Amino acid sequence: AQSVSQHNHHVILSEAASLELGCNYSYGGTVNLFWYVQYPGQHLQLLLKYFSGDPLVKGIKGFEAEFIKSKFSFNLRKPSVQWSDTAEYFCASRNQNDMRFGAGTRLTVKP
Amino acid sequence: DAGITQSPRHKVTETGTPVTLRCHQTENHRYMYWYRQDPGHGLRLIHYSYGVKDTDKGEVSDGYSVSRSKTEDFLLTLESATSSQTSVYFCAIAVQGEIRYGYTFGSGTRLTVV
Repeated sequence: AQSVSQHNHHVILSEAASLELGCNYSYGGTVNLFWYVQYPGQHLQLLLKYFSGDPLVKGIKGFEAEFIKSKFSFNLRKPSVQWSDTAEYFCASRNQNDMRFGAGTRLTVKP
Repeated sequence: DAGITQSPRHKVTETGTPVTLRCHQTENHRYMYWYRQDPGHGLRLIHYSYGVKDTDKGEVSDGYSVSRSKTEDFLLTLESATSSQTSVYFCAIAVQGEIRYGYTFGSGTRLTVV
């Protein structure tokens, strides 16, 4: 079965710092990859997705992710974080009807 | 939010009692999903449905059953609630009806089993 690993459990940054959150998936076939964000007390919202084409994907709120097939990675990046980016971030991979989520990375941005 | 609502939002129940959570969508989408969210585990799929009366198990289906008698409603039942089922439950539908576009999630149901 496919799996998704997020190695950073909790990341603390100051405002304006650059962000990179790691995500690795296990499935070697065709996958769709996603990043979701969950603000405190809210449900998950889709940040960005990849299913084909340009491996550099741009999402909402200035986030982007790069699909590197050889590394089975789909890391999330943002050049300059804001206090409002404080949230939990989930990577997910989908193969047909099976969508698997990572354990999540909690991001705290200090003002 | 994209026509998906969950009820109730919060529920406290006693061990051994049955509990039913409801997910309602207005998008007429075929695929619907139930996940549970627990710290350190992310989201784990309980059951999903690919149409009326068509359901299948996910990775953590033990102790749960589902029903889908209408396109718009997907019910999750805990036949006899246990403390290990204390969790936040999210329903999801595929964005624009296409799984490859990702999911839209409901607002969640926080269930506490005492």
